[in-house]
Amino acid sequence: AQTVTQSQPEMSVQEAETVTLSCTYDTSESDYYLFWYKQPPSRQMILVIRQEAYKQQNATENRFSVNFQKAAKSFSLKISDSQLGDAAMYFCAYSGGSNYKLTFGKGTLLTVNP
Amino acid sequence: NAGVTQTPKFRILKIGQSMTLQCTQDMNHNYMYWYRQDPGMGLKLIYYSVGAGITDKGEVPNGYNVSRSTTEDFPLRLELAAPSQTSVYFCASSWGTADKEKLFFGSGTQLSVL
Repeated sequence: AQTVTQSQPEMSVQEAETVTLSCTYDTSESDYYLFWYKQPPSRQMILVIRQEAYKQQNATENRFSVNFQKAAKSFSLKISDSQLGDAAMYFCAYSGGSNYKLTFGKGTLLTVNP
Repeated sequence: NAGVTQTPKFRILKIGQSMTLQCTQDMNHNYMYWYRQDPGMGLKLIYYSVGAGITDKGEVPNGYNVSRSTTEDFPLRLELAAPSQTSVYFCASSWGTADKEKLFFGSGTQLSVL
């Protein structure tokens, strides 16, 4: 079974600084997808970024980028120029196989200090 | 375009009561999912469906039932509610194709069983 591990229950960052959230996963599949979701206090799940395993190039979405290390099964999220609105719970998630259901990590609570 | 709509947003049940959480999507997605999120935890898959008439168990199906009579609707039934079912429930849907893979989430249902 696939597992997703987020080893940092909480992280904090100063506004305008950079922070990296860690995620590791375990799978025997060769074709899969990895995601970072943001959950603000509103409870809404918001897709931040996605990475296809077959792509070697790291995904980037504006201030958000990933460091995807396939051999190490590592998928970290870097947030640059952190903003107060980035404060939220961040979930790493894995999707593989033919039914695309997601397996989530336990989340990392990010606090942004002004 | 409403996306994924869940009702109700909040509900309190007494032990042993039953209820149905409603979920509907207007994006013609084949795949639909029910997740639960316990405090401080990631989302765990309860049931999923890859199309009308087809459902399958996820990681934590005990105490729940689902049906998928139409593409749009995927209700989750709780029979004999127990305190362990106190959680936030999320419905989600997706295309189920590799090049478009992304989950669209509803806004969640906060359920308390007392």
